[in-house]
Amino acid sequence: LAKTTQPISMDSYEGQEVNITCSHNNIATNDYITWYQQFPSQGPRFIIQGYKTKVTNEVASLFIPADRKSSTLSLPRVSLSDTAVYYCLVGDGLTGGGNKLTFGTGTQLKVEL
Amino acid sequence: GAVVSQHPSRVICKSGTSVKIECRSLDFQATTMFWYRQFPKKSLMLMATSNEGSKATYEQGVEKDKFLINHASLTLSTLTVTSAHPEDSSFYICSAPDHLQDRGYNYGYTFGSGTRLTVV
Repeated sequence: LAKTTQPISMDSYEGQEVNITCSHNNIATNDYITWYQQFPSQGPRFIIQGYKTKVTNEVASLFIPADRKSSTLSLPRVSLSDTAVYYCLVGDGLTGGGNKLTFGTGTQLKVEL
Repeated sequence: GAVVSQHPSRVICKSGTSVKIECRSLDFQATTMFWYRQFPKKSLMLMATSNEGSKATYEQGVEKDKFLINHASLTLSTLTVTSAHPEDSSFYICSAPDHLQDRGYNYGYTFGSGTRLTVV
């Protein structure tokens, strides 16, 4: 599994756009990039997944450059409720999703008024 | 979407007793489930992979006799912390693979809500 590197923490204010970048230099051809969000005392929650270029859903966008060695999670107009830890994971799900996930340190995002 | 129900959400037990944590996939079948442990302000650490109908696979350093895992059906996996001690106090989380194909994604993992274990 490809190792990921993220900033340990980030601070922002309500209404701002937050971009969290993750490095995964040894990503494999079959690997997808997935981001999870975790609130205190809760299990992680799936946010978004991508393979290349840009993916957007109702809560976030994921930007992946052509070399796929990094990815950026973009949260538009954050609010206090977006304060959480965000994990970037890289792995191959083509075998049916049975591959174990290895979590890195994650990024603690703190949103203030 | 897929839901993984984890129970109990929190439990306090005395040293030396055993505690069972259940993880159920509610609307899908899971031949594989994963069990994680998380200490305060730390990342999730994979403990073991639970396989339906066969023995669990434990990560290096995890005592299989202390953390008993049973995956008796396609929707239920259990983790039993045997002879619990205060150092076993932690947040335990299960997850199951979920293809998320109905949402246009390749694959994903759905996590339970976690169990806060406190051993006194």
